[in-house]
Amino acid sequence: GAVVSQHPSWVICKSGTSVKIECRSLDFQATTMFWYRQFPKQSLMLMATSNEGSKATYEQGVEKDKFLINHASLTLSTLTVTSAHPEDSSFYICSARVGSSETQYFGPGTRLLVL
Amino acid sequence: AQTVTQSQPEMSVQEAETVTLSCTYDTSESDYYLFWYKQPPSRQMILVIRQEAYKQQNATENRFSVNFQKAAKSFSLKISDSQLGDAAMYFCNLGSSNTGKLIFGQGTTLQVKP
Repeated sequence: GAVVSQHPSWVICKSGTSVKIECRSLDFQATTMFWYRQFPKQSLMLMATSNEGSKATYEQGVEKDKFLINHASLTLSTLTVTSAHPEDSSFYICSARVGSSETQYFGPGTRLLVL
Repeated sequence: AQTVTQSQPEMSVQEAETVTLSCTYDTSESDYYLFWYKQPPSRQMILVIRQEAYKQQNATENRFSVNFQKAAKSFSLKISDSQLGDAAMYFCNLGSSNTGKLIFGQGTTLQVKP
């Protein structure tokens, strides 16, 4: 149980285009999902908290107009990187909480390369 | 502010031996959780073990156990009978009951030598 998927796993795009990443909880309902960014050999940096049916809460320094988050259902949250630039190239990981549990289960990540 | 510190960037252990990864944390919350996650080369984050702060008994999961010292704000992970598949980056995490957020440590890369 507690499986989280992400799609796509790999994406290459041209500078200036927008990219959407999906995060799905496959066997449970997730009222809260989180989006992280990870640079090579570094820890995860929390970008935003996504709550179903409400606006996402962004961490300090994360541009909300750049990284659009939508949590339209209890099993799906999406992260859209708008007008992507090479500096947005990174590994993006989502996680989901199971009910009121404090445990987060992570998706396999999405590697984004912006040319 | 809540912080998690892992002071060992890299560790190595011989296969079948025991290794301990260190972690200290700081929080002003009275209700919180502590976790160890591992991230193997596949980069999939996997939950290793979880500890509720209100429980005095140390959590164990098969070959993995923790030494939770609440007063010292220390939460170390012991891996017994290390296996090649244990090679990964290990993250110590502090979970906030208020926000549900995880505060990540810097990570410790564990190498297991055959």
